Amino acid sequence: GAVVSQHPSWVICKSGTSVKIECRSLDFQATTMFWYRQFPKQSLMLMATSNEGSKATYEQGVEKDKFLINHASLTLSTLTVTSAHPEDSSFYICSAREAGLAGGINIQYFGAGTRLSVL
Amino acid sequence: GQQVMQIPQYQHVQEGEDFTTYCNSSTTLSNIQWYKQRPGGHPVFLIQLVKSGEVKKQKRLTFQFGEAKKNSSLHITATQTTDVGTYFCAGSGAGSYQLTFGKGTKLSVIP
Repeated sequence: GAVVSQHPSWVICKSGTSVKIECRSLDFQATTMFWYRQFPKQSLMLMATSNEGSKATYEQGVEKDKFLINHASLTLSTLTVTSAHPEDSSFYICSAREAGLAGGINIQYFGAGTRLSVL
Repeated sequence: GQQVMQIPQYQHVQEGEDFTTYCNSSTTLSNIQWYKQRPGGHPVFLIQLVKSGEVKKQKRLTFQFGEAKKNSSLHITATQTTDVGTYFCAGSGAGSYQLTFGKGTKLSVIP
């Protein structure tokens, strides 16, 4: 089955530093990737939609200058949390939708997630 | 915007009992998907339903999509300890690939 690799799985950083999270589709091409944030015991909240070769689309309330998204290739999207603060501590999960599928097929394959702790 | 409500939030069952979680959307969906997330893990795709009134089965799991394409359910027959986790429904509207997730139902199975 389709595999999405997300790295790192766990990161601890000091307040004010930036953290980059990578999301790779290993065995398929993904024109669209999604970034979610999940707080403990809560559901997944979509942060942004990342489209290969174009700017990401951010959900309302998500600061685009805070969460920089780059989707430079069909297999890689990155999320950079800039100047991280303790309130940014969370579980960040990416997902990828396989390119070339018929319109009715909307399966998203999820990465294993990145647990960010900002001290 | 689109909202997806899911109930119950928690469910504790004895092993062998059945379990059902329900999902309701504020708008008509083009498709609905179900995911399972184990504690400490990430969501894993279970199934996608596209057609009105569709019913799909995976062993002990039965998934239904309502006639109006606004509600869905997941039913597990004779639960096992391996069924433990949080089950999320997620829907997308016409012309969109974005998924709106329900809050999930956390299933605990007492051996």
